[in-house]
Amino acid sequence: DVKVTQSSRYLVKRTGEKVFLECVQDMDHENMFWYRQDPGLGLRLIYFSYDVKMKEKGDIPEGYSVSREKKERFSLILESASTNQTSMYLCASSFRAGEVYSNQPQHFGDGTRLSIL
Amino acid sequence: RKEVEQDPGPFNVPEGATVAFNCTYSNSASQSFFWYRQDCRKEPKLLMSVYSSGNEDGRFTAQLNRASQYISLLIRDSKLSDSATYLCVVNNPYYSSASKIIFGSGTRLSIRP
Repeated sequence: DVKVTQSSRYLVKRTGEKVFLECVQDMDHENMFWYRQDPGLGLRLIYFSYDVKMKEKGDIPEGYSVSREKKERFSLILESASTNQTSMYLCASSFRAGEVYSNQPQHFGDGTRLSIL
Repeated sequence: RKEVEQDPGPFNVPEGATVAFNCTYSNSASQSFFWYRQDCRKEPKLLMSVYSSGNEDGRFTAQLNRASQYISLLIRDSKLSDSATYLCVVNNPYYSSASKIIFGSGTRLSIRP
C-alpha cells in the first residue's frame, strides 16, 4: 500500500510566520503534489514536482514555495503566512509512466488543517 | 464551461438502492480518468480507475463515454458506509504540466437507513 505521510494533522500559526509543511512518500514515486482544499472551491493545485529539485507552479502558487531535495520528500513553504492561507493542505504522489506526467492515479496524505491567526 | 463538471448533489437515497452519477469533461483529448471518494474532513482516496471498456469492482461500476465526454459511477445495493463525496479526476495528456490534472468539485451522496 502506498503511504503518504504529512508531518502534522493540525497546525496553528500566526500571521507573518514562515510555515513549513512536510510530506514523505514511501513508494518511490516520481511525482509529488501540494493542493489546498477549501469549501466550495474544491482541490486546487499549488505546486507540483516531477523529480528531485524540479518543480512547476500549479494554479495558485502565490505566497507559497516548495522544496524537493530528496525523491521521497516534498515540502511546502508559506513564506509569510496570511489569514487567507487558512485551509486544508493535501499532499499527493503518483508514479510517472514514461514521459507522461499525469496519467497515473494520485495517492493522498491525511491532510494538514492549517489555521493562521 | 468548466473543464470538469459534476452535479454537487446531495443525492439522498435509501439503503439498498442503486445510484448513479456522471462527470462531464470538456477536453476531448483527455486520456485517463479516475473516481475518488472523500469522507468528511478526510483525504480523497482512490476508488477506481475508469477504463475505456468500462470496469467493475464489486458493487461499483465505472464507465467512460468518449463520444459524449462523460464518465459515470454506478453504485449497486448502496450501504450506509457509501455516504461520501465522490470526486472525478480527468488527466489531460500534457507532458510537462500537472495543472492539467483536473478534479471535479464532487458529488455528495447520502445513504439513509
